[in-house]
Amino acid sequence: GAGVSQSPSNKVTEKGKDVELRCDPISGHTALYWYRQSLGQGLEFLIYFQGNSAPDKSGLPSDRFSAERTGGSVSTLTIQRTQQEDSAVYLCASSRHNREETQYFGPGTRLLVL
Amino acid sequence: GDSVTQMEGPVTLSEEAFLTINCTYTATGYPSLFWYVQYPGEGLQLLLKATKADDKGSNKGFEATYRKETTSFHLEKGSVQVSDSAVYFCALAGSGNTGKLIFGQGTTLQVKP
Repeated sequence: GAGVSQSPSNKVTEKGKDVELRCDPISGHTALYWYRQSLGQGLEFLIYFQGNSAPDKSGLPSDRFSAERTGGSVSTLTIQRTQQEDSAVYLCASSRHNREETQYFGPGTRLLVL
Repeated sequence: GDSVTQMEGPVTLSEEAFLTINCTYTATGYPSLFWYVQYPGEGLQLLLKATKADDKGSNKGFEATYRKETTSFHLEKGSVQVSDSAVYFCALAGSGNTGKLIFGQGTTLQVKP
């Protein structure tokens, strides 16, 4: 079966532009997570979706970051007015919701803001 | 808040050497504990996990035991191979029901033939 997929794999943008990153979770997984991996901050949680519940947005670093999950499946992470410090690898993961369950990670989107 | 601290790398070992990567955590309640591995050019993947105190997770010759009394989850392998060269992340899924992972900083392991 297919794993978690993310697109694009790489994105180069100019400071101030908006970007959208996409995540397709594993079919049947109700929980979806976004994380960010950067040299300075390591791996950090951004946002969590579970079914139709309100998302946990506690990890979003600023109001320039937002995410949605349509139909309980595909998710889009949007960064508005990108800054150079947003450069990182953005990772998506999904699991069958239970905090003991394994999270399966996608390959990530490498974002470079010039 | 919850946090994970793991030994800094890089760690360089010769093939067949014994490996220990230390990991300690701070958390309220009873977190689940994980080791994830990132091989060069690949995505993050689960190596092993333990969900309650005294549980031992194991996979591919790696082991880690959930020690509540010392709040630790050290990763060990008796005989490393060149193919074990990777970045290893200790993580916990802490309080609340979200299962969001809190990661340590990662430890780079290089195994030389």
